[in-house]
Amino acid sequence: GAVVSQHPSRVICKSGTSVKIECRSLDFQATTMFWYRQFPKQSLMLMATSNEGSKATYEQGVEKDKFLINHASLTLSTLTVTSAHPEDSSFYICSASTLDRPYEQYFGPGTRLTVT
Amino acid sequence: AQKVTQAQTEISVVEKEDVTLDCVYETRDTTYYLFWYKQPPSGELVFLIRRNSFDEQNEISGRYSWNFQKSTSSFNFTITASQVVDSAVYFCALSEARGFQGAQKLVFGQGTRLTINP
Repeated sequence: GAVVSQHPSRVICKSGTSVKIECRSLDFQATTMFWYRQFPKQSLMLMATSNEGSKATYEQGVEKDKFLINHASLTLSTLTVTSAHPEDSSFYICSASTLDRPYEQYFGPGTRLTVT
Repeated sequence: AQKVTQAQTEISVVEKEDVTLDCVYETRDTTYYLFWYKQPPSGELVFLIRRNSFDEQNEISGRYSWNFQKSTSSFNFTITASQVVDSAVYFCALSEARGFQGAQKLVFGQGTRLTINP
């Protein structure tokens, strides 16, 4: 149980375009989802926290107009990178938590974004 | 503010050696959780252990063991008789425990890249 999927696993897009990444909890209801970003050979940094039905809370320094997060249902959250630039190339990982086990975060397999 | 420090950026050992990965944390919270994750080359995070701040018992799981010491704010991870398959990046992480407020973010250390040579 507690499986989180991400789609796509890899995406290459041209500079200036937008790309959407999906994060789904397959067998549980995720009241909270987190989006992390990991640059090569670096650690994971939290970008934003989203609770179902609410606006996402962004970490300092993360542009909310550039990284649009939607958590419209208990099983799906999306991250849209708008007007992507090469510096947005990174590994994006989502995680999901439930209300009854808030100390558990179930991680998705990650999405590798390359902006050319 | 919370902070996790993994001072060892890279460690390289020969197979069958024991290796310890260090983790030191900072938090003002009295209740918190500590985690270790493994990240193989595929990138997917593999959960290894969660420990809450009230449980200082050391834990052993097969070749893996963890030493949690609140007095030194450390949560070290030891692999005994290392194997090539243990090669990966290992992350230590910390989160607050605010039960009724729901899940809290994880603060990750910088990671330790472990290479086990045959």
